Amino acid sequence: GNSVTQMEGPVTLSEEAFLTINCTYTATGYPSLFWYVQYPGEGLQLLLKATKADDKGSNKGFEATYRKETTSFHLEKGSVQVSDSAVYFCALNSGGYQKVTFGIGTKLQVIP
Amino acid sequence: EAGVTQSPTHLIKTRGQQATLRCSPISGHTSVYWYQQALGLGLQFLLWYDEGEERNRGNFPPRFSGRQFPNYSSELNVNALELEDSALYLCASSGAEGRGNSPLHFGNGTRLTVT
Repeated sequence: GNSVTQMEGPVTLSEEAFLTINCTYTATGYPSLFWYVQYPGEGLQLLLKATKADDKGSNKGFEATYRKETTSFHLEKGSVQVSDSAVYFCALNSGGYQKVTFGIGTKLQVIP
Repeated sequence: EAGVTQSPTHLIKTRGQQATLRCSPISGHTSVYWYQQALGLGLQFLLWYDEGEERNRGNFPPRFSGRQFPNYSSELNVNALELEDSALYLCASSGAEGRGNSPLHFGNGTRLTVT
């Protein structure tokens, strides 16, 4: 079956540091890949997505590239802010009536 | 556009009781998903309804059940509550277009506490 593996965290960074959260996946076919963010006390929000190999999703300074050869979709941001503190989930959807599969979530804490 | 709405926000029940959680999807969305997020754990897939039918079910016992109504809203029922059912229950909806590419839109969840 499908699976998503991401670093568990927590990840603690100083403001303006570079962020990488690794995500790798196992799936049949050609899934769509997503990053969601969950701020304290809220549900998940879509951060970015990519639907085919070599696509780059980007939003709010975050970006991730769909790498089929390494089955990866790592999340990056060049300069994090305190307001980026949240839990980040990598997810895949292989379509049809297969369920959306989420990683375990990585908690990011950015300190001033 | 109104987002996904869930009710109640908080629910406190006693072990052995039943809980009913409700979800209204974004207008035009026909798919509703339910996830359990226990403290310190990731999202555990519970149920997926689309066009009124159950399409997929996660690895949960039968006392977790639900349904989707003709207006696409959904209800999750948990019978014979156990302490370990305490969690945040998240509902999400998506549209039918390009089913595999459609992102999920989440509500803010119902916090269920079983004492």
